[in-house]
Amino acid sequence: TQLLEQSPQFLSIQEGENLTVYCNSSSVFSSLQWYRQEPGEGPVLLVTVVTGGEVKKLKRLTFQFGDARKDSSLHITAAQPGDTGLYLCAGVRSNYQLIWGAGTKLIIKP
Amino acid sequence: GAGVSQSPSNKVTEKGKDVELRCDPISGHTALYWYRQSLGQGLEFLIYFQGNSAPDKSGLPSDRFSAERTGGSVSTLTIQRTQQEDSAVYLCASSAAGGNSYEQYFGPGTRLTVT
Repeated sequence: TQLLEQSPQFLSIQEGENLTVYCNSSSVFSSLQWYRQEPGEGPVLLVTVVTGGEVKKLKRLTFQFGDARKDSSLHITAAQPGDTGLYLCAGVRSNYQLIWGAGTKLIIKP
Repeated sequence: GAGVSQSPSNKVTEKGKDVELRCDPISGHTALYWYRQSLGQGLEFLIYFQGNSAPDKSGLPSDRFSAERTGGSVSTLTIQRTQQEDSAVYLCASSAAGGNSYEQYFGPGTRLTVT
């Protein structure tokens, strides 16, 4: 059972376009994390959102945590080829357990 | 400082052979995790260590899989009598005890291919 659903599973767009990817669950999490993974490497943490309704910005990336702390979105403005990668969300359940989504594979074409 | 390292980076083995995968966590990190990732997919949790103890082994797929951690540092994941379905990238992560970020720092992974 996939507790965290990510959509879309795959997205290929042109450089300069905007995009939004989603991470949804029926469960409540104390916080939620977004990671980016490039080929041949492990995931790297981008952001942790903690408060329901919280919005965090990281340059062209905007992360939002749903009011009920069950879902999150990642919006990228003016996407660049360097944004290409696998974006993974992970819900924090306890002080060690992360529940992982299956990821969104993003390709930005120059 | 040094990040999480894993060895080997690639391992090709014949079906039925045993393999050992090694993880060197970030110095001082008490928590260590093993995950498995199939091509382009999300992470499948295998086992979690706090110090040398493994309070959660629930993700190990079968009794062919085992892991140990010594000295609160290096960990080894052992797969006995490998099967083709064991082919995947095995990722190790470590994190510091306490705090609120729960950030996990990942190694580059070991790509295991069972032929």
